[in-house]
Amino acid sequence: AQSVSQHNHHVILSEAASLELGCNYSYGGTVNLFWYVQYPGQHLQLLLKYFSGDPLVKGIKGFEAEFIKSKFSFNLRKPSVQWSDTAEYFCAVNAGGGFKTIFGAGTRLFVKA
Amino acid sequence: KAGVTQTPRYLIKTRGQQVTLSCSPISGHRSVSWYQQTPGQGLQFLFEYFSETQRNKGNFPGRFSGRQFSNSRSEMNVSTLELGDSALYLCASSPQSRSEQYFGPGTRLTVT
Repeated sequence: AQSVSQHNHHVILSEAASLELGCNYSYGGTVNLFWYVQYPGQHLQLLLKYFSGDPLVKGIKGFEAEFIKSKFSFNLRKPSVQWSDTAEYFCAVNAGGGFKTIFGAGTRLFVKA
Repeated sequence: KAGVTQTPRYLIKTRGQQVTLSCSPISGHRSVSWYQQTPGQGLQFLFEYFSETQRNKGNFPGRFSGRQFSNSRSEMNVSTLELGDSALYLCASSPQSRSEQYFGPGTRLTVT
């Protein structure tokens, strides 16, 4: 069965620190990969996506993610976090010919001002 | 364009009752997916509809069902409610299959 693992459930950083959130998935075929973010009191929204091409993708608000096929990973990064990045981040995978997207358990990020 | 809308936003039901939740996707989106979100389990996929056809279903009991209408609006129904069904139910629409999803605000269901 397909699965998505997010390595950290809670992360606390100070402003200006660098961020990397890990995401690994289990599926050997073609995948579409996503990171979604849920700010406090807001809807889930798309941060970035990877379908094909350049494995380094850039999203909104300075976030980027790198797809490493050999490692089945799609880690999210940001060089310098801000207090406003406090949110829950979800990695998601749509694999093969399936019509469902599997989400990771989420990582709660708290940025100290 | 208007976003995904879900009604009602909040519901309180008692065990054994049934409930119907509604979702209106973004105009032009034909794919609608439903998720259950709980603190312990995260987002769990319920089902996905495209052009009125259910194309995939998650690992939920048969008490959970859904449908999609010709205008792409979707409903999900939960019968014989249990305490464990208390959750935030999210609807998401996509312009096409396997694409990025646009989420609604969710319906917060509390079962007492």
